[in-house]
Amino acid sequence: EIVMTQTPLSSPVTLGQPASISCRSTQSLVHSDGNTYLSWLQQRPGQPPRLLIYQISNRVSGVPDRFSGSGAGTDFTLKISRVEAEDVGVYYCMHAIQSTWTFGHGTKVEIK
Amino acid sequence: QLQLQESGPGLVKPSETLSLACTVSGGTIDSSSFFWGWVRQPPGKGLEWIGSIYHRGNTFYNPSLKSRVTISIDTSNNQFSLKLSSVTAADTAVYYCARLDFGVVTPDYWGQGTLVTVSS
Repeated sequence: EIVMTQTPLSSPVTLGQPASISCRSTQSLVHSDGNTYLSWLQQRPGQPPRLLIYQISNRVSGVPDRFSGSGAGTDFTLKISRVEAEDVGVYYCMHAIQSTWTFGHGTKVEIK
Repeated sequence: QLQLQESGPGLVKPSETLSLACTVSGGTIDSSSFFWGWVRQPPGKGLEWIGSIYHRGNTFYNPSLKSRVTISIDTSNNQFSLKLSSVTAADTAVYYCARLDFGVVTPDYWGQGTLVTVSS
């Protein structure tokens, strides 16, 4: 069973400053097809999750370029280059293959 | 634009069966390109995958819930369903349905979610 661990649990950030979230998995997420199925979701207060980034670093259409993903193997990072008020919420890393979906426990981004 | 909408009772008694449906509009559920899944979120907590189903009826369940979960699909009505038996207060959560696209291999569309409370 793969376990996804996110740090920090909470990230108070000043508007306009960067934020960084780490996600570590207990097993390599490199699939036999060579791809790495690590995604990042954003959940704003009172909203369903929203896909931001898939396969480590691919932004979904409409996601601002201040969001970026990086990493490989078992260690991944989501960065927000300049936090805006609309970025407040909880961010989840997740690993999904057809047969199982695994979520990190979430990181709360809030404004100082 | 694809939309998913959960429906079902908002209140279920302990020991009874929770039943929800997810109706998909703006696209067909009968496609070899997607899995359809259920995810839940207890109040103030994180996301938990419940299970997924393919258009042909192949299912995959979270091992921690497998003994109580049944997911089915009705391609004629473009919807899929969740049944969770023997519920307790610990099953109180917002239940989301979602689509996993094989192209990106991640859930890319989500329903708005429905709160189910388990209480007598």
